[in-house]
Amino acid sequence: AQKVTQAQTEISVVEKEDVTLDCVYETRDTTYYLFWYKQPPSGELVFLIRRNSFDEQNEISGRYSWNFQKSTSSFNFTITASQVVDSAVYFCALSEGGDNTDKLIFGTGTRLQVFP
Amino acid sequence: EAQVTQNPRYLITVTGKKLTVTCSQNMNHEYMSWYRQDPGLGLRQIYYSMNVEVTDKGDVPEGYKVSRKEKRNFPLILESPSPNQTSLYFCASSLWGGVPQETQYFGPGTRLLVL
Repeated sequence: AQKVTQAQTEISVVEKEDVTLDCVYETRDTTYYLFWYKQPPSGELVFLIRRNSFDEQNEISGRYSWNFQKSTSSFNFTITASQVVDSAVYFCALSEGGDNTDKLIFGTGTRLQVFP
Repeated sequence: EAQVTQNPRYLITVTGKKLTVTCSQNMNHEYMSWYRQDPGLGLRQIYYSMNVEVTDKGDVPEGYKVSRKEKRNFPLILESPSPNQTSLYFCASSLWGGVPQETQYFGPGTRLLVL
């Protein structure tokens, strides 16, 4: 069965620290897509990244980087030199092919608090 | 500006009083969906629509109805709200349905409290 696990419920760091948010997924499909969304205190959901199951290359976007490892079914998200504005809830999500193409399966989210 | 809008953003109601949360997108997206977000559970899909007049149940459809009469609108209807429907609701849309790589874009959310 498909599932996304974000074991870290809450993480607190001090500004400028690096922080990694873990995401582990389960799927039987060979074709699938993984996403990260950010939910700031204002409540909206902001799309951050999409990665397909055939592309294990790590991605970097400014202070954000993502490490996709099929061998461990993980898609971890690292923020380098964290800032107060990074404080938010972060969701990892999975989208599959086949009969389950029509929904995103979300993890329970990780609340990140960055203190000045 | 390309966006998904929801109204109202906040709503307090009483048990049994029918309500509708509207959702509209201006991106000509085929696919639209409703999710609810609850603490410790993440987001769960309520209903989705692949196109006009095509809707289907998600994981938690009980107590909800939807319609898709126009491409841009996808209202969520609670015929007889109950306190367990107190939640944060998100509408989302993507260009195509049935395509797992399509990114879903979310509305700002509607916070509902049912007394």
